[in-house]
Amino acid sequence: NAGVTQTPKFQVLKTGQSMTLQCAQDMNHEYMSWYRQDPGMGLRLIHYSVGAGITDQGEVPNGYNVSRSTTEDFPLRLLSAAPSQTSVYFCASSNRGRSGANVLTFGAGSRLTVL
Amino acid sequence: AQKVTQAQTEISVVEKEDVTLDCVYETRDTTYYLFWYKQPPSGELVFLIRRNSFDEQNEISGRYSWNFQKSTSSFNFTITASQVVDSAVYFCALSGSGTASKLTFGTGTRLQVTL
Repeated sequence: NAGVTQTPKFQVLKTGQSMTLQCAQDMNHEYMSWYRQDPGMGLRLIHYSVGAGITDQGEVPNGYNVSRSTTEDFPLRLLSAAPSQTSVYFCASSNRGRSGANVLTFGAGSRLTVL
Repeated sequence: AQKVTQAQTEISVVEKEDVTLDCVYETRDTTYYLFWYKQPPSGELVFLIRRNSFDEQNEISGRYSWNFQKSTSSFNFTITASQVVDSAVYFCALSGSGTASKLTFGTGTRLQVTL
């Protein structure tokens, strides 16, 4: 049971390039989300999804795009990377989407550097 | 809006000392959930505890204990007889009911335990 798998673990981009961070979970979880972690700022929610075909914005959605075509996958797209998007990105999932009580299972993180 | 404050940016202790990590939260929800996560140097996020707003019982798990006080909006975490393996960044987080597991994180407290 792999849990939440994120790829790649490390990525360096140039300003203006696009890329997709992949996230897959094998726990049949309804809920998936993306957070970014920046020094001194904790983790902030970017986008989330309560099920296939349903996505919504979190606290810091600008510059990011998501889709949820399957229960298992929740990719995060950067259409035109900016240095401000240099961060560590975490994908998370939980088994019931519509409750704040649920415990999130996090992936190992993806470190992105934008030059 | 929800807010979580971890005023202690960094704490250093010598092994076997007791240490308390503070967490103060703000929310208008009457039902909410509080969490603590641990982030060791390897970078993953490890769930430690969840507490419901309607359950003010303190909890002890081995060397870890949590003190939840609604009157002061605090959810403090104590490690008794700290060990080097406790060295990590600890995050306190908050979510409301029905908010689809949208966590608001504090900025984290880095705990350094030395011999």
